[in-house]
Amino acid sequence: DAGITQSPRYKITETGRQVTLMCHQTWSHSYMFWYRQDLGHGLRLIYYSAAADITDKGEVPDGYVVSRSKTENFPLTLESATRSQTSVYFCAQSAGGAYNEQFFGPGTRLTVL
Amino acid sequence: DAKTTQPNSMESNEEEPVHLPCNHSTISGTDYIHWYRQLPSQGPEYVIHGLTSNVNNRMASLAIAEDRKSSTLILHRATLRDAAVYYCILRETSGSRLTFGEGTQLTVNP
Repeated sequence: DAGITQSPRYKITETGRQVTLMCHQTWSHSYMFWYRQDLGHGLRLIYYSAAADITDKGEVPDGYVVSRSKTENFPLTLESATRSQTSVYFCAQSAGGAYNEQFFGPGTRLTVL
Repeated sequence: DAKTTQPNSMESNEEEPVHLPCNHSTISGTDYIHWYRQLPSQGPEYVIHGLTSNVNNRMASLAIAEDRKSSTLILHRATLRDAAVYYCILRETSGSRLTFGEGTQLTVNP
């Protein structure tokens, strides 16, 4: 049990629509992360959060918005979805620090038509 | 973040040891070496990490070169369930982020 859930698991949407992917953790860890993984490639960090109300950009933040009003939730919003955002999205949580592992959710497979 | 280099793919036979190499020639003195793996259709999972000394846990062993410019993840007896993409990642002492490369696709033959 990685202590983290994502919803929905699968989502199909159309170009231009707003989409929100949900992430919920049950361990009250400080850090939460959003990654995207395109087919056949490694994960890339979109945004991360060190605590409630503290967020920071990762490698590929353009086109995404995050918020973290509560420690346990870290939603990711695509304000106007594009086909290039078709990907698998993983949420992760960690106690922080270079020695603590990250625990990943099962992923959300998003298709933008 | 310092960069790592891994082979794109490796093959092994079931119940044999597997040595997965990783080069990180630009590693700094405070970088931790982490390994994660990703089974098909799942999120990555933590395998092991170390700083300077070799490390063992129930999943694997991590051998770190004396100059820390390379490391090797050792699976002592590969099983079919170990078929996955293995990522070698460097993390700064003050950092919480993970920067994934492309990893090594490990195939385990029965």
